[in-house]
Amino acid sequence: AQKITQTQPGMFVQEKEAVTLDCTYDTSDPSYGLFWYKQPSSGEMIFLIYQGSYDQQNATEGRYSLNFQKARKSANLVISASQLGDSAMYFCAMREGLWGREGGADGLTFGKGTHLIIQP
Amino acid sequence: GAVVSQHPSWVICKSGTSVKIECRSLDFQATTMFWYRQFPKQSLMLMATSNEGSKATYEQGVEKDKFLINHASLTLSTLTVTSAHPEDSSFYICSARVASDRLVVAQHFGDGTRLSIL
Repeated sequence: AQKITQTQPGMFVQEKEAVTLDCTYDTSDPSYGLFWYKQPSSGEMIFLIYQGSYDQQNATEGRYSLNFQKARKSANLVISASQLGDSAMYFCAMREGLWGREGGADGLTFGKGTHLIIQP
Repeated sequence: GAVVSQHPSWVICKSGTSVKIECRSLDFQATTMFWYRQFPKQSLMLMATSNEGSKATYEQGVEKDKFLINHASLTLSTLTVTSAHPEDSSFYICSARVASDRLVVAQHFGDGTRLSIL
């Protein structure tokens, strides 16, 4: 089974509208972290937001917020007031286990991504 | 903020050549670095975890003799693709974890290397 599922291969959104990018995850480890990254056509991975499994509140970073529903194992990214520069690939990723734990798996598992296109 | 530098950005070479890619942490010490591979229009796949001063840990299906990883210092990890073939053409990207960072965001990505084997 896939550990990270992003069900939207592509999305077209009008500028200034809010966008929700879906992400569901699968893990049996009670300790995990969820990340969202933006990858423009140039290729670099730009960190957007992080949610820890024990965090009580949903993470927010400027125009980005993470709708964390633990029971449903979903971690959707919400972009408010979208801009043309938001057009890119967006990846949801997960790290399982305690961060920095000896022998732990700190590498990230990525979803297949969503190609977001903002239209003027 | 923390910066990870990856070099070169682009490599085009003939089949059979070995190619070395460097990943440097510029303003922090990285005990652990990660190497990912991304084929066109696909996601990033973790190849290996590189720990300073010890052998790298490879993910299942990644040939350790094909992809040599050396992490000789706290600021440099190298990935060498040995005897590269066209099927090795991909986007290789590294990330680094800060040595003493136990906080939520501790993976910083380089800008990636596009490798094309002719």
